[in-house]
Amino acid sequence: DAKTTQPTSMDCAEGRAANLPCNHSTISGNEYVYWYRQIHSQGPQYIIHGLKNNETNEMASLIITEDRKSSTLILPHATLRDTAVYYCIVRVVLGGGADGLTFGKGTHLIIQP
Amino acid sequence: DGGITQSPKYLFRKEGQNVTLSCEQNLNHDAMYWYRQDPGQGLRLIYYSQIVNDFQKGDIAEGYSVSREKKESFPLTVTSAQKNPTAFYLCASIGVRRQDYGYTFGSGTRLTVV
Repeated sequence: DAKTTQPTSMDCAEGRAANLPCNHSTISGNEYVYWYRQIHSQGPQYIIHGLKNNETNEMASLIITEDRKSSTLILPHATLRDTAVYYCIVRVVLGGGADGLTFGKGTHLIIQP
Repeated sequence: DGGITQSPKYLFRKEGQNVTLSCEQNLNHDAMYWYRQDPGQGLRLIYYSQIVNDFQKGDIAEGYSVSREKKESFPLTVTSAQKNPTAFYLCASIGVRRQDYGYTFGSGTRLTVV
């Protein structure tokens, strides 16, 4: 699976859009981009995933560049409860795989009141 | 509601003791995983199982053992051979159908050696 690079931490004001970047310059054509988040002392929570098109669900939007070398997770109206560590992951298989998921250190997003 | 239940939430172990962490899911998921998380770090894979009665070692399996006798259950035993067991342990599951793209995680067990 391709490696990802994320900033260690970010701040965002409550009510504003939080934009979390992720670089995955070595991504291959059949690798998906996944985003998860982990609130302190809880299990990670799936947010969204995509292959090459932009995606939106009730939690967030995912913008993937045309060359697929980077992506941005957007939380449109951040709340204090969005404070968490956000993980960007790329991997081939869409379902259960033999290697599970590789989580790096992610981005610690802090929403300021 | 379907989900994954891990128990206990907190566990204290004396040195030299084996302890077993429970993981139960009612999602009808085929694949189950155990991860370890140390403070400020990402997740590291301990063991995984894709079907009943079969499991494979992950990156840090030494000192741990698992069983998969039922689809719903994937208990993890931390043995006395694990030299640094204090950590946060997470269980996860996922279906193997094409539409099963999101891993579901339990709420974790925090193990402390005393």
